[in-house]
Amino acid sequence: DAGVIQSPRHEVTEMGQEVTLRCKPISGHNSLFWYRQTMMRGLELLIYFNNNVPIDDSGMPEDRFSAKMPNASFSTLKIQPSEPRDSAVYFCASILTSGYTDTQYFGPGTRLTVL
Amino acid sequence: GNSVTQMEGPVTLSEEAFLTINCTYTATGYPSLFWYVQYPGEGLQLLLKATKADDKGSNKGFEATYRKETTSFHLEKGSVQVSDSAVYFCALRGSNTGKLIFGQGTTLQVKP
Repeated sequence: DAGVIQSPRHEVTEMGQEVTLRCKPISGHNSLFWYRQTMMRGLELLIYFNNNVPIDDSGMPEDRFSAKMPNASFSTLKIQPSEPRDSAVYFCASILTSGYTDTQYFGPGTRLTVL
Repeated sequence: GNSVTQMEGPVTLSEEAFLTINCTYTATGYPSLFWYVQYPGEGLQLLLKATKADDKGSNKGFEATYRKETTSFHLEKGSVQVSDSAVYFCALRGSNTGKLIFGQGTTLQVKP
């Protein structure tokens, strides 16, 4: 299994630009999570999906952030417009919530720098 | 609500020293408990887990026991190596959800 795949691995953009982060979960997993990690705030859950439906988006900072999961094998996190304070590492994770296994598998992350 | 509290870091040890990183939790019901490790520049990896009271999770010489009476899941290793230098996260998963609640992370630095 290839694991959780995220792209791009690094993104540098200028303030005001739109940024799209992509995630491919592990095949067969039915829940997907987006996290943000910064030195100041640590690891924060932004949103999670179950069976492609957003379940909890209470961690999404503001309207500039949006996430979609059009199918079981793909999700995007979009920031529009981006701001310097959005600079962070963004992780995607997936899990099969079958009750028999409960391990979240993380992708390698996307390091976003907004200038 | 559910929460996880870890000891503050950084923790600095010499090689072969004994390691303890404290973790306590608050939760309703019967959560599952986890330790994840993050090496520099990488994502989080599951280190070990325990799904019910008195279970002991173990992996790579690390151990943690699910103590319901003290609501704790302390991470221990008898002899640390330089390669164990990383950030360690304690986490819990509540019943009927895939959502993890993470602690703030503890940085471990092991010096030769």
